[in-house]
Amino acid sequence: GAVVSQHPSWVICKSGTSVKIECRSLDFQATTMFWYRQFPKQSLMLMATSNEGSKATYEQGVEKDKFLINHASLTLSTLTVTSAHPEDSSFYICSAFKGGGNTIYFGEGSWLTVV
Amino acid sequence: EDQVTQSPEALRLQEGESSSLNCSYTVSGLRGLFWYRQDPGKGPEFLFTLYSAGEEKEKERLKATLTKKESFLHITAPKPEDSATYLCAVRGINTGNQFYFGTGTSLTVIP
Repeated sequence: GAVVSQHPSWVICKSGTSVKIECRSLDFQATTMFWYRQFPKQSLMLMATSNEGSKATYEQGVEKDKFLINHASLTLSTLTVTSAHPEDSSFYICSAFKGGGNTIYFGEGSWLTVV
Repeated sequence: EDQVTQSPEALRLQEGESSSLNCSYTVSGLRGLFWYRQDPGKGPEFLFTLYSAGEEKEKERLKATLTKKESFLHITAPKPEDSATYLCAVRGINTGNQFYFGTGTSLTVIP
């Protein structure tokens, strides 16, 4: 199967600081990666789509200057939450699209708590 | 616009009580319909991909079927460990790499 790893699984940061979450495809090259946010007992909310080597495409309402996405290689995408505030506390999940395939595989998710 | 609607929103079953989850979709040319299982606090786990009407796939107590308008996830004799949220997604031929997700069905299997 295809494995996608997210790190860290849990992070607590102080209000006003920035935090980076990594998403890695371990055994395949991911031409496209997706970042989602999920609130308790709600479905996935797509934040942005990133393609390797190009700028991310953000969904309406998502602040691109606050949620910086970098997809510098075919196996790594990062989400940086800048100047985090308590309302940014959430569960963030990435998924990776396997090039040549037709399925996306998800990471384990990252819990962010801003205090 | 491609859309996915899942029903019911929540389902409680007694252990051993078989049932089905529904995923209705509208898409301008189906490239794939996907089922995922999500446990609380974890990322979704891939279950099945279906490509064309009439196709069926099975995995343990789960069987996914597909018609031109909907997909069913049949759960036979469920066990408590089948409790999870089941998500359905579609990918259309005109929407590139975009996957459209439903809001999920939360399944609880009571011992």
